[in-house]
Amino acid sequence: DIQMTQSPSSLSASVGDSVTITCRASQTIRNYLNWYQQKPEKAPKLLISGASSLQSGVPSRFSGSGSGTDFTLTISGLQPEDFATYYCQQSYNTPRTFGQGTKVEIK
Amino acid sequence: QMQLQESGPGLVKPSETLSLTCAVSGGSISNSHWWSWVRQPPGKGLEWIGEIYHNGSTTYSPSLRSRVAILVDRSKNKLSLKLTSVTAADTAAYYCVRTFASHFDYWGQGTLVTVSS
Repeated sequence: DIQMTQSPSSLSASVGDSVTITCRASQTIRNYLNWYQQKPEKAPKLLISGASSLQSGVPSRFSGSGSGTDFTLTISGLQPEDFATYYCQQSYNTPRTFGQGTKVEIK
Repeated sequence: QMQLQESGPGLVKPSETLSLTCAVSGGSISNSHWWSWVRQPPGKGLEWIGEIYHNGSTTYSPSLRSRVAILVDRSKNKLSLKLTSVTAADTAAYYCVRTFASHFDYWGQGTLVTVSS
């Protein structure tokens, strides 16, 4: 199985800050990396697919980059609605695996 | 707009079989997509259970393969999940998900299943 490791596990930030979450795969996954946002008691929501392709309707303050084994999700200018948990997920092969999540909290 | 809706018992006894159904609306389950189940124990992360193609081809997580079955009913536009010999470790929210080009684009709202006597 491909292990996905996110860092940090949690972070505190203020509205307007820029934050970066990293995701590392245990082997190369080319660009088969997706990012999801999950709010409490809600299903995850796809933000970015293919490492950097923003989904329709997702604000442009979200961006993704990386390839191979190292990836980042950046939120430029946090908004109140961005406080949530973020997961990376590899779709290079099965079993599909997720990172452990990064909780973005209000400072 | 595609919608997925999970349903099934919220409480299952240990050693019994967990059975869930996912109704798909706003699109045909027979289109060229994979359909997955993902679960999330309370307060924990996401775990992929397995996936099925509309023709019935399946792939399962190795950790659950011996206990899981995912089926598709094209006539009813539904898919189902069966997990046998459940324990407390199977307590989780279970999500039905569409897989599009290898990413999970449509999610059901999830259904919480508690394993307890």
